[in-house]
Amino acid sequence: GENVEQHPSTLSVQEGDSAVIKCTYSDSASNYFPWYKQELGKGPQLIIDIRSNVGEKKDQRIAVTLNKTAKHFSLHITETQPEDSAVYFCAARNQAGTALIFGKGTTLSVSS
Amino acid sequence: GAVVSQHPSWVICKSGTSVKIECRSLDFQATTMFWYRQFPKQSLMLMATSNEGSKATYEQGVEKDKFLINHASLTLSTLTVTSAHPEDSSFYICSAEGTQSGEKLFFGSGTQLSVL
Repeated sequence: GENVEQHPSTLSVQEGDSAVIKCTYSDSASNYFPWYKQELGKGPQLIIDIRSNVGEKKDQRIAVTLNKTAKHFSLHITETQPEDSAVYFCAARNQAGTALIFGKGTTLSVSS
Repeated sequence: GAVVSQHPSWVICKSGTSVKIECRSLDFQATTMFWYRQFPKQSLMLMATSNEGSKATYEQGVEKDKFLINHASLTLSTLTVTSAHPEDSSFYICSAEGTQSGEKLFFGSGTQLSVL
């Protein structure tokens, strides 16, 4: 089955800096890679996703890159703000109707 | 994005009682719903997958008689924790996917269960 590795487990940056979180996956058949932000005591919120036929996707300060050959994808947050502080999860799956497999999460702390 | 409503947000119950958690898709038809469990500072662990009108498929190690899942309509799935014990205390989260949501999965706000 699919296995998703995520690192770093914790990341501390200064406000305005960029943050990068990386994930690798094992199943070459995986073709959908979302990223979720989870705040304490709340459910995960989808922030961006990418499909395997695309190498990069950007939405304002957030971008995701995908390298299918190497089986890794990354989340990039630019101009970080304190409200970006949360736990971020990457995930992968190979077809609609199947469950997402999650990485272990990255706790991002943005200090002002 | 699509809205998935989950409640209660938190529940405290005595050991041996049963607790029902509801998950509703408010603006789309959820053909598939997933139930996850999350311990503090850990990732989401899949418990079961349910398709509307069918029996749920449980992950290895998840007791189907203890965690009853019903997905009777395209907008509602329920998880009932039967005869709850302190070790069942956890954060339970549902997610839903539908034809209108594309491949995207949207999550409910979670339910914190504390069993005394």
